[in-house]
Parts: sequence; structure tokens; C-alpha cells
Amino acid sequence: GESVGLHLPTLSVQEGDNSIINCAYSNSASDYFIWYKQESGKGPQFIIDIRSNMDKRQGQRVTVLLNKTVKHLSLQIAATQPGDSAVYFCAEKGGNNRLAFGKGNQVVVIP
Amino acid sequence: DAGITQSPRYKITETGRQVTLMCHQTWSHSYMFWYRQDLGHGLRLIYYSAAADITDKGEVPDGYVVSRSKTENFPLTLESATRSQTSVYFCASSGVGGIQPQHFGDGTRLSIL
Repeated sequence: GESVGLHLPTLSVQEGDNSIINCAYSNSASDYFIWYKQESGKGPQFIIDIRSNMDKRQGQRVTVLLNKTVKHLSLQIAATQPGDSAVYFCAEKGGNNRLAFGKGNQVVVIP
Repeated sequence: DAGITQSPRYKITETGRQVTLMCHQTWSHSYMFWYRQDLGHGLRLIYYSAAADITDKGEVPDGYVVSRSKTENFPLTLESATRSQTSVYFCASSGVGGIQPQHFGDGTRLSIL
């Protein structure tokens, strides 16, 4: 499948370690943020979201942190597994339910 | 649980031809979106629709036409395909309410020769 990860920032992680993926967003008025995972040949898959009235939200093995002061979003993946290898995108919601996507970060898990 | 499906998955056509990409969702979501994904550009919004018979331009609408006669379908047409429209196209949908994620199909890889 197409390698959407070419030319993207790449994070190489040892299997079992924790991963942290960072994202800077642009609009201080954005009130909703989403992280997506995209595997080769597939569409972006929803991972976790967070509203602007929260600083942290946890899911299964994933945690999203929101720092509105510096307009920064991060995704933490605990105990990274080979199946976590993918491109990860952050997105912020604008008007009319439209999303603005970041360029993405490639995560490569080393067995 | 079909979700959102796109067809065809792969398409090769020639410049100047008309081609239509199909998108169907089974969630009765109000909002539907078309994106293209290219290396170096990420996901760019082509058109979106807030409801049946309501469509609006996104970031890169030139050369594309959409319609939304039924809530569940949102076809994207390239009226006269150009090589610069070679890309991977993704359809997405989300519910009304403002704070809901978009859910994506698996894409159509379109090559224009």
C-alpha cells in the first residue's frame, strides 16, 4: 500500500516501551481535538479525542494530554506493540465540523 | 456493521475522462466529507456536506463536483480528470452535535495517466 509515512518525522520505539507523539495546533479557539492512526493502505482510524475543557483523557493503553497555554497536544501509548506501527495524526475542530489535520508522525516499533 | 464504504478501491483512468468515486455510510450521520491525501500535504478537504442537499467547498475544491441527494451517499466526481488529481481519496462522516469524531473509509487510490 501507499506509504503515507514517507518524509514524515519518525519515532522508533522498542517494543514494550512507551511512545509519546507530539502535535502543535494553530487555533487557540479550537475546542475539540482528535488523534487518528493510519496504517498502510487504510483510512485514518479514530483513537481518542479530548475537549478543550479537559487537560487529560485516558483510553485503553493511550492517553491524550492537552496544554492550551502552548497549544500543544500529545498522545502517549503505553507498552508499545508491533501493531502500533503506523502514522499518527492530530486534528483540531474548526467551524462546521471541519477538521484541520497535522502532517502526521510515523511510529516504527522495533521488535 | 458496515460503517462507511468507498468504491472503487482502485481506479486507473486517462486525462480528460470523467470519474465518480462513491461513498456510502450506514450510520445516518449528518456530515460527510471528501479528502485527498498526498505525500507532503497530508489530508486536505475537498468538499463537505452538512446534510442532504447541502454542500460546501473545502480547501481544494477546483476540478471536483459533489452531490448529496440522500443522507447516506456522497459521491465525488472529477469532471475532466487531470494528472494532478492522482491521489488517494478518503470519505468521512460524523454526526451532528459539534463534538464528534469523523470516521473514515479505507480510501480510493486513483491514478490518472
